[in-house]
Amino acid sequence: QVQLQESGPGLVKPSETLSLTCTVSGVSIRSHYWSWIRQPPGKGLEWIGCIYFTGSINYNPSLRSRVNLSVDTSKNQFSLKLLSVTAADTAVYYCARHLKVGDSSFDYWGQGTLVTVSS
Amino acid sequence: QSALTQPPSASGSPGQSVTISCTGTSSDVGAYNYVSWYQQYPGKAPKLMIYEVNKRPSGVPDRFSGSKSGNTASLTVSGLQAEDEADYYCTSYAGSNNWALFGGGTKLTVL
Repeated sequence: QVQLQESGPGLVKPSETLSLTCTVSGVSIRSHYWSWIRQPPGKGLEWIGCIYFTGSINYNPSLRSRVNLSVDTSKNQFSLKLLSVTAADTAVYYCARHLKVGDSSFDYWGQGTLVTVSS
Repeated sequence: QSALTQPPSASGSPGQSVTISCTGTSSDVGAYNYVSWYQQYPGKAPKLMIYEVNKRPSGVPDRFSGSKSGNTASLTVSGLQAEDEADYYCTSYAGSNNWALFGGGTKLTVL
């Protein structure tokens, strides 16, 4: 049974770095592409970026300059760092699995974690 | 790239059919058969309902169907049930520089 679980601080100060980790269980992280997606309170979904175990990465062009993705195959985890955050980065952050390579379909999602940017 | 365009709301009575549109451009929806639809209940993670325009993952009722014409994709829910009341989002592959472009979401109300 495939499961994804986000973890990380729920509160980040403005201008600092948001760091989250997604722990994958039930399947090898080497098997698929993995994405981060966020949803500001009361708003729609926004794709942040995706990573493959080889280190191949694709970013949302609007966030590329502030996002770093990494993968740790030994822990079956992948991580997100979002630099220089502002209140606009307050959102529920989800990690998700791509159904297929080069596809925008996400078949498994984490439960999501709310990150608030505030001093 | 701008988000895909969805109507903010849609509604129908139990048993009826409702169609939700998702309009993009010739660079995303119109260029690829990689349109997906998600159902989201409040406070929950989205659930994949349709992928590759018209394919249903295992376990999704066949009341849900997808299609595409030109730059517009559509999700049709037939035989509406109370449990179908939720937010629905479309997404499309938009090329190697933007793997997933989301729509703004449509709130489906079952009257």
